[in-house]
Order: sequence, then structure tokens, then C-alpha cells
Amino acid sequence: EVQLVESGGGLVQPGGSLRLSCEVSEFTFSRYWMTWVRQAPGKGLEWVANIKEDGTEKNYVDSVKGRFTISRDNAKNSLYLQMNSLRAEDTAVYYCARTLTYGFDYWGQGTLLTVSS
Amino acid sequence: AIQMTQSPSSLSASVGDRVTITCRASQGIRSDLGWYQQKPGKAPKFLVYAASSLQSGVPSRFSGSGSGTDFTLTISSLQPEDFATYYCLQYNNYPLTFGGGTKVE
Repeated sequence: EVQLVESGGGLVQPGGSLRLSCEVSEFTFSRYWMTWVRQAPGKGLEWVANIKEDGTEKNYVDSVKGRFTISRDNAKNSLYLQMNSLRAEDTAVYYCARTLTYGFDYWGQGTLLTVSS
Repeated sequence: AIQMTQSPSSLSASVGDRVTITCRASQGIRSDLGWYQQKPGKAPKFLVYAASSLQSGVPSRFSGSGSGTDFTLTISSLQPEDFATYYCLQYNNYPLTFGGGTKVE
């Protein structure tokens, strides 16, 4: 069974940094684009970033450009999101998702990031 | 960025009802649209892609239609497990954008 497990969330002060991880299993990770999607408490879904199979192409929503970096380690079947200069508005549950050309077919359970002093 | 406007934001329905949710794009996106279902505290579930194609395993009571700027998700006969929030997603252009959601209650 395909599994995606996020980790690394927690409480961070404004201006701080954190790295989220997403470890996958039961599929060939290196053959898929991967995506991070977030959801602020009580709000809708927001696409954050995606990364090509080999890591050579990355895309970001404007609100995180220059602050967040998506990366992957295909040898470790893992996806990452390095988040710097965190703001209160980055508070959300962060999901990783396996990405097809036409959508996100498998999702993790999410990890909660809270940015607060 | 392409804006995706969903309506209504919420609706009240009963088991057996036919439910229709609409999504409008601020510019043409061909048929590059998907639909997702989310229940409280859970990750979204992939329902529809390419505006009208059902993802594997999704019940046939779900259907999607539309192209260009106007899209609909229809549940032909609402079941108890269908009470949830539904989101559209355009993947025609970066940044990918979701609609604001429709809560079916």
C-alpha cells in the first residue's frame, strides 16, 4: 500500500526556520513529481511547491518564493520542505502528495506547523 | 495567478439528493481541472481529473463536466459518506490554485 508520512512540524517563532520531511513507501519515488500543499486552520487548501522526479525543476507559490525550498533525496525515498523566515501566516497543516500530470493521487496525513511567539 | 471561484460555499442536502457544485476559473484552463473531497481531520481524496474523468475507485454517482472557465461536480444521489468539503484545483498554469471549497452538510 502506498504510504506518505510527513514529519517535522511543530511550534516555531516568527522569523525562525524548520524543515519538513515526507517519507514514502510502496512506490518508486524517483518516477514521480511530488508536491507540498498546506491548509491553514479552518481554511482551504493552498498549493505550495512541487519538484520534478530528478529534482531539476521546482515551482513555488509567490508567497513562499525566496523563503521555502523544496528538495528530495531519491535514495532515501524522501521529500523535504526547508522553511525559513517563517511568518504567522505560514501556520498550517502541510501535506505532501504524489503528483501525476493531472492531480495528486496519494496524500500523507499532514504535519502541523505553528508560527507564534 | 488564476483565481478559482467555487459556489456555493456551503449547502444543505439530504441523503438521496442530487448535488451540484460549480467552479469558475478567472481565465480559460481547457479541461485542466480536478476535484477533491476532504473530511474533517483527513487528507483530501482525489475524485476527478481532466474535468470529467473519474479517478480509479471513485463511485459512479460522482461526475464532472465543463471546460474553459466553467466546471461542475455532481453527486447524483448523495450518500451518508459524501458529507464533506469539496475543492476544485486548476493545473493549467503555475501557481496551481484551489477553489475556496464547498461544504456539503
